Amino acid sequence: GAVVSQHPSWVICKSGTSVKIECRSLDFQATTMFWYRQFPKQSLMLMATSNEGSKATYEQGVEKDKFLINHASLTLSTLTVTSAHPEDSSFYICSARIAGGPGYNEQFFGPGTRLTVL
Amino acid sequence: AQSVTQLDSQVPVFEEAPVELRCNYSSSVSVYLFWYVQYPNQGLQLLLKYLSGSTLVKGINGFEAEFNKSQTSFHLRKPSVHISDTAEYFCAVSGGYQKVTFGTGTKLQVIP
Repeated sequence: GAVVSQHPSWVICKSGTSVKIECRSLDFQATTMFWYRQFPKQSLMLMATSNEGSKATYEQGVEKDKFLINHASLTLSTLTVTSAHPEDSSFYICSARIAGGPGYNEQFFGPGTRLTVL
Repeated sequence: AQSVTQLDSQVPVFEEAPVELRCNYSSSVSVYLFWYVQYPNQGLQLLLKYLSGSTLVKGINGFEAEFNKSQTSFHLRKPSVHISDTAEYFCAVSGGYQKVTFGTGTKLQVIP
């Protein structure tokens, strides 16, 4: 149980194009999903917290107009990297917290999406 | 505010030897502590978690960790490692529904 999927698993795009990454909770409902970015040999950096039916909360320094997050249902959140540039190349990981779950922030992680911008 | 420190960026260890990966945390509220493992080009998998109760927590793949409040530590241990344990390990802390803060990770390299 508590499986999270991401699609695509990897994507290569040209500079200036937009890329959408999907995060789905397959066997549970998630009122809250999180988007992380991981640079090579570094830890996970939280980009934003996505709440179903409301606007995402972005961490300091993350451009909300560049990284568009939509959490339209209890099982799907999307991250769109708009006008991608080579510096946006990274490993993007999402996680989800079970709706109505216990009072701690246990998250279930997706397998990640490798974005390469040429 | 909360933070996590993983002092060792890399830990080489021979196969079948014991290993300890160190983690120290700071938090202004009650904490929940986690260890995750990440294999190359994959997401994170939960190894174990401390929520409350017994300070010795057992997880998957033979790993265990001990919560030490006075030393603000949550070190991960395994008595005998296998080649398949080669991966990166992340310690994380969360206070209730606050966001999870991850350490910088420790790469465990098991040497045959």
